[in-house]
Amino acid sequence: QVQLQESGPGLVKPSETLSLTCAVSGSSISSGYYWGWIRQPPGKGLEWIATIYPSGSTYYNPSLKSRVTISADTSKRHFSLKLGSVTAADMALYYCARAKISMGPAFDYWGQGTLVTVSS
Amino acid sequence: EIVLTQSPGTLSLSPGERATLSCRASQNIDRDYLAWYQHKPGQAPRLLIYGTSSRATGIPDRFSGSGSGTDFTLTISRLEPEDFAVYYCQEYDFSPPTWTFGQGTKVEIQ
Repeated sequence: QVQLQESGPGLVKPSETLSLTCAVSGSSISSGYYWGWIRQPPGKGLEWIATIYPSGSTYYNPSLKSRVTISADTSKRHFSLKLGSVTAADMALYYCARAKISMGPAFDYWGQGTLVTVSS
Repeated sequence: EIVLTQSPGTLSLSPGERATLSCRASQNIDRDYLAWYQHKPGQAPRLLIYGTSSRATGIPDRFSGSGSGTDFTLTISRLEPEDFAVYYCQEYDFSPPTWTFGQGTKVEIQ
């Protein structure tokens, strides 16, 4: 059973860096899958943030690219997101997810999400 | 950058009715790279359809996807009470790899 679990501070101050980690169980974090972050601001739709392929290739939403870093630790089976210079616009429910290359690559497994509030 | 526009924004229907959701792309999309998700409050999004028309594991056959080029459709043949949710289309562009979601269609009980 594939499971993903997000963790990280629920509260971040404006201008600081948001750091989240996604722990993966039940699946190898190696080839065959991308691993990504998606967010949903309150009352809005889903927005793709970033994706990593375990070879080290990283891909970012152009609108966030200057502030985002995604990384992965295959030995520990987790991957992480850092989003710098946060503002109120970055308040959202943040999901981590797996994208299976042979399926599109669509996101076939998701974490339950972690709510991040930006406030001083 | 591809933009996905979903319509209608809200669909008000009764259980047992047929739901037809549209996803229009700003440029042609490879059929292999179009997916649909169901999202309920407090839950993780659930993959329904990938590759335009392939159902994900465990998805009932009342859900079907079709389309090509710039126009894609998700059809729910007979709405069950658990189908009332928000639905998103999503496309993958491989050069460079990016994922884009539509803005969503809410299917609500009439």
